[in-house]
Amino acid sequence: QKEVEQDPGPLSVPEGAIVSLNCTYSNSAFQYFMWYRQYSRKGPELLMYTYSSGNKEDGRFTAQVDKSSKYISLFIRDSQPSDSATYLCACYNAGGTSYGKLTFGQGTILTVHP
Amino acid sequence: DAMVIQNPRYQVTQFGKPVTLSCSQTLNHNVMYWYQQKSSQAPKLLFHYYDKDFNNEADTPDNFQSRRPNTSFCFLDIRSPGLGDAAMYLCATSRAPSPRPQETQYFGPGTRLLVL
Repeated sequence: QKEVEQDPGPLSVPEGAIVSLNCTYSNSAFQYFMWYRQYSRKGPELLMYTYSSGNKEDGRFTAQVDKSSKYISLFIRDSQPSDSATYLCACYNAGGTSYGKLTFGQGTILTVHP
Repeated sequence: DAMVIQNPRYQVTQFGKPVTLSCSQTLNHNVMYWYQQKSSQAPKLLFHYYDKDFNNEADTPDNFQSRRPNTSFCFLDIRSPGLGDAAMYLCATSRAPSPRPQETQYFGPGTRLLVL
């Protein structure tokens, strides 16, 4: 079983739609949860960051973490064609021997069409 | 702009022929990482340098080596590439090996490796 599971999609939505992207994880030691956005032919860039359970909002983006169910989500409101990219969730365990290691999901390909 | 630069962007090599991928950074970050990302798969950490301290992941094949001659440069050497090593190789840097936003990892654009 992969430590972080993510539906690869692809997901295609009309402009203005609310997008929901999700990941599940199996390692209960993960404490930090991130969403990266990766445009075609570019490296991933950090989009959202959450520590432990809860919600975090930044403009049109909201990240949610539910540690009890090991479920993380990213919501995009009023989606735009410029949001078309691959979205990668990532988890981090600050303790143990995995110091410095991000564990990524495989990414969800999102297309927002005008 | 401060950035992470990877060269070349595309690399074609022959089965078994050694290849070196290059990463440089102008961010003066202490940590440099190498990830392997196969098509439709998650980026997988191969190893990282914290300053001159090399940290190899347990499941990274011996075929993969790395060198960091100075703060700015880091190289990925694949001694005998196999067909299964065809992938995107991502270099990333951070100030420290931590997930906090101020120590976030900055990624380069990647080098796509094709093995014939």
